[in-house]
Amino acid sequence: QVQLVESGGNVVRPGGALRLSCSTSGFIFRDYYMSWVRQAPGKGLEWISSINDRGKKKDYADSVKGRFTISRDDAKNSLHLQMNGLTAEDTALYYCARGVAMDQWGQGTRVIVSS
Amino acid sequence: DILLTQTPLSLSVTPGQPASVSCKSSQSLLHSDGKTSLYWYLQKPGQSPQLLIYEASNRFSGVSQRFSGSGSGTDFTLKISRVEGDDVGVYYCMQNLQGHTFGQGTKLEI
Repeated sequence: QVQLVESGGNVVRPGGALRLSCSTSGFIFRDYYMSWVRQAPGKGLEWISSINDRGKKKDYADSVKGRFTISRDDAKNSLHLQMNGLTAEDTALYYCARGVAMDQWGQGTRVIVSS
Repeated sequence: DILLTQTPLSLSVTPGQPASVSCKSSQSLLHSDGKTSLYWYLQKPGQSPQLLIYEASNRFSGVSQRFSGSGSGTDFTLKISRVEGDDVGVYYCMQNLQGHTFGQGTKLEI
Protein backbone atom coordinates (compact mmCIF):
# COMPACT_ATOMS: atom_id res chain seq x y z
CA GLN A 1 0.00 0.00 0.00
CA VAL A 2 1.02 3.61 -0.44
CA GLN A 3 3.11 4.97 2.42
CA LEU A 4 4.69 8.34 3.06
CA VAL A 5 6.80 8.70 6.18
CA GLU A 6 8.24 12.04 7.18
CA SER A 7 11.30 12.41 9.39
CA GLY A 8 13.86 14.97 10.47
CA GLY A 9 11.72 17.19 12.64
CA ASN A 10 13.34 18.53 15.80
CA VAL A 11 13.70 21.45 18.16
CA VAL A 12 15.99 24.07 16.65
CA ARG A 13 17.06 27.57 17.65
CA PRO A 14 16.04 30.63 15.61
CA GLY A 15 18.34 31.03 12.66
CA GLY A 16 19.07 27.33 12.59
CA ALA A 17 18.57 24.75 9.87
CA LEU A 18 16.88 21.38 9.44
CA ARG A 19 16.49 18.88 6.65
CA LEU A 20 13.21 17.04 6.44
CA SER A 21 12.77 13.81 4.53
CA CYS A 22 9.76 11.93 3.22
CA SER A 23 10.36 8.26 2.50
CA THR A 24 7.82 6.69 0.21
CA SER A 25 6.75 3.22 -0.89
CA GLY A 26 3.91 1.48 -2.66
CA PHE A 27 3.90 3.62 -5.79
CA ILE A 28 6.21 4.72 -8.61
CA PHE A 29 7.67 7.77 -6.89
CA ARG A 30 9.44 9.17 -9.94
CA ASP A 31 6.10 9.59 -11.74
CA TYR A 32 4.60 11.89 -9.12
CA TYR A 33 4.54 15.57 -8.37
CA MET A 34 5.19 16.00 -4.62
CA SER A 35 4.50 18.72 -2.08
CA TRP A 36 5.22 19.88 1.45
CA VAL A 37 2.37 21.33 3.51
CA ARG A 38 2.63 22.55 7.08
CA GLN A 39 0.25 23.18 9.93
CA ALA A 40 1.15 25.50 12.78
CA PRO A 41 -0.26 24.55 16.20
CA GLY A 42 -4.03 25.06 16.21
CA LYS A 43 -3.99 26.56 12.73
CA GLY A 44 -4.98 25.56 9.21
CA LEU A 45 -3.03 24.03 6.36
CA GLU A 46 -0.37 26.03 4.54
CA TRP A 47 1.22 24.86 1.30
CA ILE A 48 4.93 25.62 1.28
CA SER A 49 6.58 23.88 -1.66
CA SER A 50 6.12 21.50 -4.60
CA ILE A 51 8.36 19.76 -7.10
CA ASN A 52 7.34 18.19 -10.39
CA ASP A 53 7.95 14.63 -11.45
CA ARG A 54 11.25 15.39 -13.13
CA GLY A 55 12.50 17.71 -10.44
CA LYS A 56 12.87 20.54 -12.94
CA LYS A 57 10.07 22.74 -11.64
CA LYS A 58 10.03 23.83 -8.04
CA ASP A 59 7.57 26.24 -6.47
CA TYR A 60 7.62 27.91 -3.09
CA ALA A 61 5.25 29.92 -0.94
CA ASP A 62 6.39 33.48 -0.40
CA SER A 63 6.76 32.74 3.31
CA VAL A 64 9.64 30.32 2.68
CA LYS A 65 11.09 31.46 -0.64
CA GLY A 66 14.85 31.92 -0.42
CA ARG A 67 15.08 29.97 2.83
CA PHE A 68 13.70 26.53 2.00
CA THR A 69 14.77 24.19 -0.82
CA ILE A 70 12.78 21.21 -2.04
CA SER A 71 14.49 18.28 -3.72
CA ARG A 72 13.86 14.68 -4.60
CA ASP A 73 15.90 11.50 -4.92
CA ASP A 74 14.06 9.22 -7.31
CA ALA A 75 16.60 6.43 -6.79
CA LYS A 76 15.69 6.37 -3.11
CA ASN A 77 11.99 7.23 -3.51
CA SER A 78 12.39 10.16 -1.20
CA LEU A 79 11.50 13.82 -0.97
CA HIS A 80 13.45 16.39 1.01
CA LEU A 81 13.05 19.88 2.37
CA GLN A 82 16.14 21.84 3.40
CA MET A 83 15.07 24.58 5.78
CA ASN A 84 17.47 27.42 6.58
CA GLY A 85 17.06 30.62 8.53
CA LEU A 86 14.31 29.16 10.69
CA THR A 87 12.10 31.47 12.74
CA ALA A 88 9.40 30.90 15.35
CA GLU A 89 6.82 31.26 12.55
CA ASP A 90 8.16 28.03 11.00
CA THR A 91 7.06 26.02 14.05
CA ALA A 92 4.60 23.49 12.65
CA LEU A 93 3.80 19.92 11.74
CA TYR A 94 5.22 19.32 8.27
CA TYR A 95 3.47 16.92 5.91
CA CYS A 96 4.52 15.54 2.56
CA ALA A 97 1.74 14.85 0.08
CA ARG A 98 1.58 12.95 -3.18
CA GLY A 99 0.48 14.19 -6.54
CA VAL A 100 -1.20 17.25 -7.95
CA ALA A 101 -4.32 16.28 -6.03
CA MET A 102 -2.44 15.58 -2.77
CA ASP A 103 -4.24 12.26 -2.62
CA GLN A 104 -1.96 10.67 -0.04
CA TRP A 105 -0.36 12.28 3.02
CA GLY A 106 2.19 11.24 5.57
CA GLN A 107 1.65 11.50 9.30
CA GLY A 108 3.86 14.59 9.58
CA THR A 109 7.07 15.51 11.36
CA ARG A 110 7.16 18.23 14.00
CA VAL A 111 9.47 21.24 13.82
CA ILE A 112 9.78 23.53 16.83
CA VAL A 113 11.82 26.71 16.52
CA SER A 114 12.58 28.07 19.95
CA SER A 115 15.42 29.61 21.89
CA ASP B 1 -2.44 35.39 -5.35
CA ILE B 2 -5.67 33.41 -5.33
CA LEU B 3 -7.60 33.65 -2.08
CA LEU B 4 -10.12 31.03 -0.96
CA THR B 5 -12.84 31.99 1.50
CA GLN B 6 -14.78 29.23 3.26
CA THR B 7 -18.12 29.66 4.98
CA PRO B 8 -19.17 28.88 7.57
CA LEU B 9 -16.06 28.50 9.72
CA SER B 10 -17.90 26.16 12.05
CA LEU B 11 -20.91 23.95 11.68
CA SER B 12 -22.89 21.95 14.20
CA VAL B 13 -25.04 19.25 12.64
CA THR B 14 -27.41 16.60 13.97
CA PRO B 15 -26.57 13.08 12.74
CA GLY B 16 -28.65 12.20 9.72
CA GLN B 17 -29.03 15.81 8.66
CA PRO B 18 -27.30 17.37 5.63
CA ALA B 19 -24.40 19.78 5.79
CA SER B 20 -22.89 22.16 3.30
CA VAL B 21 -19.62 24.13 3.09
CA SER B 22 -18.98 26.92 0.65
CA CYS B 23 -15.63 27.88 -0.86
CA LYS B 24 -15.34 31.08 -2.87
CA SER B 25 -12.27 31.88 -4.92
CA SER B 26 -10.95 35.34 -5.75
CA GLN B 27 -10.35 34.17 -9.33
CA SER B 28 -11.81 31.55 -11.65
CA LEU B 29 -10.30 28.13 -11.06
CA LEU B 30 -11.00 26.88 -14.56
CA HIS B 31 -7.79 25.54 -16.08
CA SER B 32 -7.03 25.87 -19.78
CA ASP B 33 -7.41 22.08 -20.06
CA GLY B 34 -11.08 22.41 -19.09
CA LYS B 35 -10.63 20.97 -15.61
CA THR B 36 -11.28 22.89 -12.42
CA SER B 37 -8.42 23.16 -9.97
CA LEU B 38 -10.43 22.86 -6.74
CA TYR B 39 -10.09 20.09 -4.15
CA TRP B 40 -11.73 19.22 -0.85
CA TYR B 41 -10.05 17.57 2.14
CA LEU B 42 -11.13 16.40 5.57
CA GLN B 43 -8.78 16.44 8.51
CA LYS B 44 -10.21 14.28 11.27
CA PRO B 45 -9.06 15.00 14.83
CA GLY B 46 -5.45 13.95 15.33
CA GLN B 47 -5.09 12.74 11.75
CA SER B 48 -3.53 13.86 8.49
CA PRO B 49 -5.77 15.44 5.85
CA GLN B 50 -7.50 13.10 3.43
CA LEU B 51 -8.68 13.87 -0.08
CA LEU B 52 -12.45 13.79 -0.56
CA ILE B 53 -13.13 15.53 -3.87
CA TYR B 54 -10.84 16.41 -6.78
CA GLU B 55 -11.42 18.79 -9.69
CA ALA B 56 -14.44 20.25 -7.94
CA SER B 57 -16.85 17.38 -8.35
CA ASN B 58 -15.06 14.02 -8.57
CA ARG B 59 -15.26 11.80 -5.53
CA PHE B 60 -11.91 10.24 -4.63
CA SER B 61 -11.59 6.47 -4.44
CA GLY B 62 -13.18 5.03 -1.32
CA VAL B 63 -14.99 8.22 -0.32
CA SER B 64 -18.59 7.76 0.74
CA GLN B 65 -21.29 8.69 -1.76
CA ARG B 66 -22.71 10.92 0.97
CA PHE B 67 -20.04 13.44 -0.04
CA SER B 68 -20.45 15.49 -3.19
CA GLY B 69 -18.75 18.51 -4.69
CA SER B 70 -20.24 21.04 -7.04
CA GLY B 71 -19.59 24.46 -8.49
CA SER B 72 -17.60 26.15 -11.17
CA GLY B 73 -15.61 29.29 -11.80
CA THR B 74 -15.28 30.92 -8.41
CA ASP B 75 -18.06 29.33 -6.32
CA PHE B 76 -17.87 25.81 -4.95
CA THR B 77 -19.79 23.70 -2.46
CA LEU B 78 -19.11 20.52 -0.54
CA LYS B 79 -22.26 18.71 0.56
CA ILE B 80 -22.74 15.85 2.98
CA SER B 81 -26.13 14.29 2.40
CA ARG B 82 -26.50 12.71 5.85
CA VAL B 83 -23.90 13.52 8.45
CA GLU B 84 -22.46 10.69 10.51
CA GLY B 85 -20.32 10.75 13.62
CA ASP B 86 -17.18 9.87 11.66
CA ASP B 87 -17.53 13.05 9.58
CA VAL B 88 -16.35 15.33 12.39
CA GLY B 89 -13.23 17.30 11.71
CA VAL B 90 -12.07 20.26 9.67
CA TYR B 91 -12.90 20.55 5.99
CA TYR B 92 -10.57 22.46 3.67
CA CYS B 93 -10.82 23.52 0.07
CA MET B 94 -7.60 23.94 -1.90
CA GLN B 95 -6.72 25.42 -5.29
CA ASN B 96 -3.68 24.63 -7.39
CA LEU B 97 -4.35 26.70 -10.48
CA GLN B 98 -1.75 29.25 -9.43
CA GLY B 99 0.54 27.97 -6.72
CA HIS B 100 -1.53 26.37 -4.00
CA THR B 101 -3.90 27.93 -1.51
CA PHE B 102 -6.01 26.37 1.22
CA GLY B 103 -9.18 27.84 2.60
CA GLN B 104 -9.30 28.68 6.31
CA GLY B 105 -11.08 25.45 7.15
CA THR B 106 -14.59 24.66 8.38
CA LYS B 107 -14.93 22.76 11.63
CA LEU B 108 -17.81 20.30 11.64
CA GLU B 109 -19.15 19.17 15.01
CA ILE B 110 -22.00 16.90 16.00
